[in-house]
Amino acid sequence: DAGITQSPRHKVTETGTPVTLRCHQTENHRYMYWYRQDPGHGLRLIHYSYGVKDTDKGEVSDGYSVSRSKTEDFLLTLESATSSQTSVYFCAISESIQGIPGELFFGEGSRLTVL
Amino acid sequence: DQQVKQNSPSLSVQEGRISILNCDYTNSMFDYFLWYKKYPAEGPTFLISISSIKDKNEDGRFTVFLNKSAKHLSLHIVPSQPGDSAVYFCAASAPGANSKLTFGKGITLSVRP
Repeated sequence: DAGITQSPRHKVTETGTPVTLRCHQTENHRYMYWYRQDPGHGLRLIHYSYGVKDTDKGEVSDGYSVSRSKTEDFLLTLESATSSQTSVYFCAISESIQGIPGELFFGEGSRLTVL
Repeated sequence: DQQVKQNSPSLSVQEGRISILNCDYTNSMFDYFLWYKKYPAEGPTFLISISSIKDKNEDGRFTVFLNKSAKHLSLHIVPSQPGDSAVYFCAASAPGANSKLTFGKGITLSVRP
């Protein structure tokens, strides 16, 4: 199994509070991603990183920010959580080889409930 | 607008029979396709992939077929086993996309003993 750890695994918070989810990898992979999974929507990309301090938006980035100060850590922050951000969040890592996208390895997920 | 479509939300098959999971895409720039499998309370895991230069890729009981003209791919599982019961996601990537994958909504496969 790829060395990916997400924390916390479960969190319940109130609307308006800040929340930070952490993804930690031990594989030294270049690419890191945050996805959310919702019924009827599948997996949707929030933000991704292609190197330390290099990040970009995905398809559902509004209300989220990310930071990557070290290769191994990718943080997802909800500055002011809303009920629409109740979801299961997955971190993933990958390493392209000569431009060919490598498979994504996913963490076990972080279930966030915003009341 | 959804670029990767899995129009059937669920599929139920008998153990030992073939499971065929379908996926359509709209973005003609996609050139690499993958299938992921997900069990409840776990992260998705990679199953099989195919490049657009091929029309078939096989790995044990799993075969993926790609029809570029129809923008359609399918995953065949033969024979199906109860342990195959899971959600299956189709995903696609375009060149130069920093390995970003676009996923479909997923299909829930149930294999009946």
